[in-house]
Parts: sequence; structure tokens; C-alpha cells
Amino acid sequence: EAQVTQNPRYLITVTGKKLTVTCSQNMNHEYMSWYRQDPGLGLRQIYYSMNVEVTDKGDVPEGYKVSRKEKRNFPLILESPSPNQTSLYFCASSPDRGGYTFGSGTRLTVV
Amino acid sequence: SQQGEEDPQALSIQEGENATMNCSYKTSINNLQWYRQNSGRGLVHLILIRSNEREKHSGRLRVTLDTSKKSSSLLITASRAADTASYFCATDRLLLSGGSYIPTFGRGTSLIVHP
Repeated sequence: EAQVTQNPRYLITVTGKKLTVTCSQNMNHEYMSWYRQDPGLGLRQIYYSMNVEVTDKGDVPEGYKVSRKEKRNFPLILESPSPNQTSLYFCASSPDRGGYTFGSGTRLTVV
Repeated sequence: SQQGEEDPQALSIQEGENATMNCSYKTSINNLQWYRQNSGRGLVHLILIRSNEREKHSGRLRVTLDTSKKSSSLLITASRAADTASYFCATDRLLLSGGSYIPTFGRGTSLIVHP
């Protein structure tokens, strides 16, 4: 089944403890992206990647890192999480400009 | 920055009625897409309309695009309780630095269909 898989689905962590949210797609898509969704703010793009080793900042990249060493994987790294990074995170992929497939989401709470 | 903005923010209707949601955007686009999100779940792609198209249909969905007014509408006909969800429009935003397009989402319309 064609899908984008995010892990974990839920995560509670403490301020400052490094964490990684994994994202993997099995559709050979070039384009991958991370979003965060907060009430009243909609989806905001954190980082995106046009292909392997090609990444760039979205609208809200502060406090996040990404890497794209392989086409299928696009992990999101929070080196020192803070409470304002408590949010619902989505990974998405696409073969071209349009028709994105989203993961099921990761609900992160930083205390 | 929000490129697309949906209107209304919330819509409540009875089953069987039609639901219309609008999306306005600011800059030129290559295409416009509509997505659906059930509470707390991932977004599901519904339909894509290209800038040279004016109308597109998919089942009970009808999307129109007016590039002169920089607006789009999503019509759901004969709505069902299962259509209850949030609906988002997304437009490509051109990155001048690299000549690439990235999708930008609005804040969404929350649709409630009462049985």
C-alpha cells in the first residue's frame, strides 16, 4: 500500500531532550515536507526537500533540523525541544507539484 | 505565510444540503488543490485543478477556479454526515531563490453535517 509512515504517533518529552520523528514513504517520491499544525494557524511548513541531499527552510524552521540521505526517509530532528514546539506534526510527499500524500501525524508534547 | 485563505471558517448544514467553501489566494499559481482532514488525522488529497482549468468534478465534489479573481470554490453536493471534516486549499508558492514551487495551505474550513 502506498503510504507515508510517521513514528511515533504520540510523544511526550521534556525540555531540552533531543528527539527525532521519523518519516518514510514507499512511493519513490522526490518531494517531501514537514508541517506543524496548531489551532487557528493551520498548517505551516517547517522544512522541505526536493530530492536526496536537497533540503530548504519553510516558514517556521527555527528549532528544527532535517536530513535527506535516502529518497524514502526524511526525519525531523529537534535538538533541544521547547514547550512552544508542542504541536501536531505531519510529513508529506509528492512526485511533483501537487497531490501530496500525508502521514497520520505525530502529536508531540514538550513539558 | 498563508497563501490561501478559506472562507467561511466554519460551516454547519443538514444532511442532503450542498456545502460551498471558498479559497482566496494572493499570487499567481500553477495549480490549486483541496484536501480534507478528519479530526487529528492526516490530510487526504481530494482534487487538483490547474491554472488553465476553470472547473473540475470528482464524484460529489465540484471545484471551480477563477484566476482573475484569485479564488476557488469547493462544492460538496448532497452532503452526508461522513463529510464532516476540515477542508483546506493549497496553492503552489514560487520560491524566487530557487525557482521551485512549494505548497502553502490555508487555515481551513470546518464543516459539520448534521444527520
